Amino acid sequence: QVQLQESGPGLVKPSQTLSLTCTVSGGSVSSGGYYWSWIRQPAGKGLEWIGRISTTGTTNYNPFLKSRVTISVDSSKNQFSLRLSSVTAADTAVYYCARLTWFGGATFDYWGQGTLVTVSS
Amino acid sequence: QSVLTQPPSVSAAPGQKVTISCSGNSSNIGNNYVSWYQQLSGTAPKLLIYDNNKRPSGIPDRFSGSKSGTSATLDITGLQTGDEADYYCGTWDSGLSAGRVFGGGTKLTVL
Repeated sequence: QVQLQESGPGLVKPSQTLSLTCTVSGGSVSSGGYYWSWIRQPAGKGLEWIGRISTTGTTNYNPFLKSRVTISVDSSKNQFSLRLSSVTAADTAVYYCARLTWFGGATFDYWGQGTLVTVSS
Repeated sequence: QSVLTQPPSVSAAPGQKVTISCSGNSSNIGNNYVSWYQQLSGTAPKLLIYDNNKRPSGIPDRFSGSKSGTSATLDITGLQTGDEADYYCGTWDSGLSAGRVFGGGTKLTVL
């Protein structure tokens, strides 16, 4: 059973960079056929896809966040990470990491429990 | 404003059936598979339906999905109080919103 766990600071100051890590267990970030994604959810609102990274390091980002987002993978630690620069209060949200599997279509089949990140001075 | 359109809320009594719709266009639902996610209060989303109408192991057959043209539907029969949750549709978008997109979510209330 694949499990994902987010970790990182729960409070980030405006204009700084948000950094989160997702640790994968029960599976490998190097396994072919999967992508590893970040998704966020502001309080009381819907889900927003942030981006994904393949096992080979190929990335795709939400066009509306692309200029501020970097997703990377560390196979030696079985982790992948998110960096979001120049944050504002609008970036306050619960951040989820998830595995993206291509069955016929793109499907998030495993999710982390989520971690709340608040942007405030 | 979400790329995919869902009703904000639906409600029905225990034992009844409810339908949740998800509307898109040709750059997303019209040319891609749809998945559905259930989010119980305070928890992470959980995969409910993938590839329009397939259920992962462990998901009861009370949950079913379908797709027609640029719209998709989630049906839940034999409603239980434990089904009260937010439901999200999702798919891939190859247009201006290129990437994975979600609906705004539908709050299901079991009366």
